[in-house]
Amino acid sequence: GAGVSQSPSNKVTEKGKDVELRCDPISGHTALYWYRQSLGQGLEFLIYFQGNSAPDKSGLPSDRFSAERTGGSVSTLTIQRTQQEDSAVYLCASSLVLGSLNNEQFFGPGTRLTVL
Amino acid sequence: GNSVTQMEGPVTLSEEAFLTINCTYTATGYPSLFWYVQYPGEGLQLLLKATKADDKGSNKGFEATYRKETTSFHLEKGSVQVSDSAVYFCALIVYNQGGKLIFGQGTELSVKP
Repeated sequence: GAGVSQSPSNKVTEKGKDVELRCDPISGHTALYWYRQSLGQGLEFLIYFQGNSAPDKSGLPSDRFSAERTGGSVSTLTIQRTQQEDSAVYLCASSLVLGSLNNEQFFGPGTRLTVL
Repeated sequence: GNSVTQMEGPVTLSEEAFLTINCTYTATGYPSLFWYVQYPGEGLQLLLKATKADDKGSNKGFEATYRKETTSFHLEKGSVQVSDSAVYFCALIVYNQGGKLIFGQGTELSVKP
């Protein structure tokens, strides 16, 4: 597609439920990133993928968070047993390659997650 | 560790005023520096970047110079417009530590006519 797309755009869930957030990167981009934007924490890195592998998972806030990427394209971020502090906007970005100086990350519109 | 600190907002200016948003960083390696902008209701987009000391990034009338000696990357614009109202994020990447962006807290700019 023309840009990074994310779905759903909004998600309201009850505490304790699992949620899945989807990211479709720009076609041909091998690197994919997840970030979270929340009032208290600002914009924070969660995880990135090079192809289907995730060399850096250091930003995932707890073991309730996991992500996968299949076929080097679509990625899913899963949050199990959601808590109210998980409420945030989850942003996905993609870039042509990882770790290059002239390598811009293009961001999607985000998924706004609200945990009641 | 790596971190970015930018001036707190909100910043409110009149149209045609001069803008400065301060940004300083700490990094354990040699970072590339970025300014991202988030317009109301839109996604995050790259505004400008600089990859080495003394480089000046510029775009849409905005400028920022990579100052290694002061570890700063302040954003400036000589004459702001109402359409510049947005949230601005300073960020860095240290590429040999992976490709993750480290962001500042963001500064909200509101330009009044």
